[in-house]
Amino acid sequence: GAGVSQSPSNKVTEKGKDVELRCDPISGHTALYWYRQSLGQGLEFLIYFQGNSAPDKSGLPSDRFSAERTGGSVSTLTIQRTQQEDSAVYLCASSLIAGRTGELFFGEGSRLTVL
Amino acid sequence: AQRVTQPEKLLSVFKGAPVELKCNYSYSGSPELFWYVQYSRQRLQLLLRHISRESIKGFTADLNKGETSFHLKKPFAQEEDSAMYYCALTPYRHMLTFGGGTRLMVKP
Repeated sequence: GAGVSQSPSNKVTEKGKDVELRCDPISGHTALYWYRQSLGQGLEFLIYFQGNSAPDKSGLPSDRFSAERTGGSVSTLTIQRTQQEDSAVYLCASSLIAGRTGELFFGEGSRLTVL
Repeated sequence: AQRVTQPEKLLSVFKGAPVELKCNYSYSGSPELFWYVQYSRQRLQLLLRHISRESIKGFTADLNKGETSFHLKKPFAQEEDSAMYYCALTPYRHMLTFGGGTRLMVKP
């Protein structure tokens, strides 16, 4: 596909379960970002990958959150022992140029609901 | 730390009226600023960036460093402009910091 692809589009889980969210960026984009979109909270930066460099994890809210990017392409965001406050839309974006002028291309998001 | 503030969560105007979505930022250096838009059931996408000094879909935004603002303006709103608008800032490297967003509703 031509755009950023995310799966699943919707995920309902029970409190305490682990979830994995997947992002397939645009081919050739070296930069990949995860953001969280909560109602009334705007967009919260979570983590950033650029090529083979160490990821910037400064936005991850707790150690229950982790992410990896395999082969410089697909990324998986894992949330362990989910809590109700983790309910949000998780957005992935990719960019051809990292840094100040790169336009971010967003996926449609994965809506997570923790019961 | 950098911060982006969009003081209005909801802005409602009538079709044909001027619209201004406010954005204020805090950063001591020279940031790059952007407006992103999310139409209903669509992806978040870039609307415009201040370095381009362009007008997209009739919208313009001027960076005012003195007032640390980057307000988005359109002289005559259209119903299809109804969407969620996010102001964003990148002061260095990669991290794009977003404001809380403003929902624009253009009534017929």
